[in-house]
Amino acid sequence: DQQVKQNSPSLSVQEGRISILNCDYTNSMFDYFLWYKKYPAEGPTFLISISSIKDKNEDGRFTVFLNKSAKHLSLHIVPSQPGDSAVYFCAASGTGANNLFFGTGTRLTVIP
Amino acid sequence: EAGVVQSPRYKIIEKKQPVAFWCNPISGHNTLYWYRQNLGQGPELLIRYENEEAVDDSQLPKDRFSAERLKGVDSTLKIQPAELGDSAVYLCASSPSPGGFYEQYFGPGTRLTVT
Repeated sequence: DQQVKQNSPSLSVQEGRISILNCDYTNSMFDYFLWYKKYPAEGPTFLISISSIKDKNEDGRFTVFLNKSAKHLSLHIVPSQPGDSAVYFCAASGTGANNLFFGTGTRLTVIP
Repeated sequence: EAGVVQSPRYKIIEKKQPVAFWCNPISGHNTLYWYRQNLGQGPELLIRYENEEAVDDSQLPKDRFSAERLKGVDSTLKIQPAELGDSAVYLCASSPSPGGFYEQYFGPGTRLTVT
């Protein structure tokens, strides 16, 4: 059973516009969430994270929002750049555990 | 600082043959993970090491998969014998400490094709 879900397999956005990637989870014990970016033939690279005690975390062009009641998080990229084109994975972890549960990924294409 | 190193990057074998993957984590990282990523899916944990101890191997198919982490540094993941369904990318990751909320650093992976 997939505990972390990314229902949009792909997303295309014009350069300079906002990209919004969504992620849902089912396990209420998850309290730490991460986004990874993956380029072809490379391993996933950590992008940004958020603890469940927060509802927003920002790092430059990247902002992650967490809605615990809805078990939903999103990644906003503003402005989007062609170099952001990659597969983005949402991941979650529970208290005291270091194991990450990944979603299936969303392929973002930023069109110049 | 060097990242997580994995070898080989690609491997093609026939079914029923053995195969081994090697991982060298980031220096000083005590926790090491092996993941398997099937096509179109996210990575799934196979085994997690804290130093040289395998603390979570519940998802490792123990009839054909084995792993070791000698001296708490490098690690090897082995499949014997390989099956067609083992075709996937095998990722190694490391993080600084057990517990807590440290992001994991991934290597480039080994793409295994079983024919």
